[in-house]
Amino acid sequence: QSALTQPASVSGSPGQSITVSCTGTSSDVGRYDYVSWYQQHPGKAPKFLIYDVNNRPSGVSTRFSGSKSGNTASLTISGLQAEDEADYYCISYKGGLSPYAFGTGTKVTVL
Amino acid sequence: EVQLVESGAGLIQPGGSLRLSCTASGFIFSDYALHWVRQAPGKGLEYVSSISTGGTTTYYADSVRARFTISRDNSKNTLYLQMGSLRAEDTAVFYCARGGRVGGAKQYFFDYWGQGALVTVSS
Repeated sequence: QSALTQPASVSGSPGQSITVSCTGTSSDVGRYDYVSWYQQHPGKAPKFLIYDVNNRPSGVSTRFSGSKSGNTASLTISGLQAEDEADYYCISYKGGLSPYAFGTGTKVTVL
Repeated sequence: EVQLVESGAGLIQPGGSLRLSCTASGFIFSDYALHWVRQAPGKGLEYVSSISTGGTTTYYADSVRARFTISRDNSKNTLYLQMGSLRAEDTAVFYCARGGRVGGAKQYFFDYWGQGALVTVSS
């Protein structure tokens, strides 16, 4: 299966905003509004951040937001904090026999 | 509190078989689809398999189809992954994850994850 393409790394200073992109195809990101985002700290399980492109589950900071344009989804972290330093993954539903496409992952560094 | 706890991990020789379990608590197990996701050492997350609420519908990544079998026992609140013909490239931390629901309807995300179980395939 083809993975969704994410930048290997993104960095920013505390207080800044950064955006992590997730590029797929017209068969996954472009076709369905079922993109979700996850944060993973080293040695820990992923944590659910965003669902259905731009919805935050209860308990997730409002500093995290999502969007989509065409075949590319994006996660924006505003007011960057030291605790945001982690790996971030997107996942898109795509249907078929293997219904989920996973992003390649992005390491976010807080300078 | 929702909890997912994987077990059954370990060291297995190439070509061998292993069964992972994921025991759930804190929610109505039979109401949720469930998934397995893996992460090779130092690598990203990779989709493995999914199972519907009743266990009648299953999905697999191409890389594991015909070698792995997902199943569930709703009476025991337990998800399983039977893995066979294991290869070195199957070495990974395996996570079980709960499928999302919004307003009672199935959704396409993974809202709770277990802590993971390391499977090492090596001679």
